[in-house]
Amino acid sequence: EAQVTQNPRYLITVTGKKLTVTCSQNMNHEYMSWYRQDPGLGLRQIYYSMNVEVTDKGDVPEGYKVSRKEKRNFPLILESPSPNQTSLYFCASSSFGRGTDTQYFGPGTRLTVL
Amino acid sequence: KQEVTQIPAALSVPEGENLVLNCSFTDSAIYNLQWFRQDPGKGLTSLLLIQSSQREQTSGRLNASLDKSSGRSTLYIAASQPGDSATYLCAPLGAGNMLTFGGGTRLMVKP
Repeated sequence: EAQVTQNPRYLITVTGKKLTVTCSQNMNHEYMSWYRQDPGLGLRQIYYSMNVEVTDKGDVPEGYKVSRKEKRNFPLILESPSPNQTSLYFCASSSFGRGTDTQYFGPGTRLTVL
Repeated sequence: KQEVTQIPAALSVPEGENLVLNCSFTDSAIYNLQWFRQDPGKGLTSLLLIQSSQREQTSGRLNASLDKSSGRSTLYIAASQPGDSATYLCAPLGAGNMLTFGGGTRLMVKP
């Protein structure tokens, strides 16, 4: 089954404790990205990657890091989480075909930073 | 910078009604536009994708139209059902393969 998986699905942590949210897709997609969703602000892109070893900032990259060492994986790293990073996070992937390709979303990771 | 507006923000209707959800965007330089459905606390499910060269796309009771030059898209839901209750999001795809999301329309269909 074609899918994007994220782990963990739920996470409660404390300020300053480094964490990683994993994202994996099994569709051989070139493009992967991370979004956060906040009430009243909607979905905003954090980082994206057009292929292995190619990453770039989205709209709200501050406080986040990413890496793309393998095509299927795109982890989101919070080196020193803060309460304003409490949010619902989504990973997405698609082929980079411009115009014809659906973006597939993972189930989301709900992060709470105390 | 692309800005996306969805109207109405919320909608409550009795079962069986035909609905129109509206989406407007400021930058017409898009590759496509997707409509998504999001259930409470869940991920996004893609409903329809309209390429920039297309005018409309249909899937079952759903029909989406796109007028790129005027920056508008509509999602038409025929014969609404309680199972259609969810938040509907539109998202044009622009440079960098980036989706820009509207705030969504929260739909409640009452039996």
